[in-house]
Amino acid sequence: GDSVTQMEGPVTLSEEAFLTINCTYTATGYPSLFWYVQYPGEGLQLLLKATKADDKGSNKGFEATYRKETTSFHLEKGSVQVSDSAVYFCALSDLGNTGKLIFGQGTTLQVKP
Amino acid sequence: ETGVTQSPTHLIKTRGQQVTLRCSSQSGHNTVSWYQQALGQGPQFIFQYYREEENGRGNFPPRFSGLQFPNYSSELNVNALELDDSALYLCASSGRGLAGHNEQFFGPGTRLTVL
Repeated sequence: GDSVTQMEGPVTLSEEAFLTINCTYTATGYPSLFWYVQYPGEGLQLLLKATKADDKGSNKGFEATYRKETTSFHLEKGSVQVSDSAVYFCALSDLGNTGKLIFGQGTTLQVKP
Repeated sequence: ETGVTQSPTHLIKTRGQQVTLRCSSQSGHNTVSWYQQALGQGPQFIFQYYREEENGRGNFPPRFSGLQFPNYSSELNVNALELDDSALYLCASSGRGLAGHNEQFFGPGTRLTVL
């Protein structure tokens, strides 16, 4: 079945460092891909999405490009802030009747001042 | 525009009890999905409701059941609670469009602890 694999965390960076969180997926067809962020004690917030190959999703300085050839959707940010500390989830949406989201296990990012 | 809301925020139950969690969907959304997020894990799909009917189900036993009401709000019921049911339960609403491309909007979740 479809699945998502993320790099294990925690990822610890200093403020203003470059961030990459790797995400690869297995799916039949071409699902939409998402990055969600979860701040401590909160639910999930959509960070960005891409709906077809070569699309680049971007928001709040974060970017990810839908790479069909490598089945990847890596999250990047050029300069992280302490406020970016959170858990990041990569997800794909199933192309079946429900469009259910299939999530990776999450990557914890800690940014130190 | 009102976002997705869930109640209660926190809940503590004992093994064998039953629990009902509630979700109000975002304005204009007619589809509600429920997810279970165990500590340190990604959310897992429980089921989805569309127009008051169950529209799909993940790998959860029948003691997990749900309802959707005419106003598109939804309930998740769990019977015979087990310790492993302790988790954050997330509700997500979406519109009805091309499958696989609908954006889902999540509520803040209900933290269930089973003792």
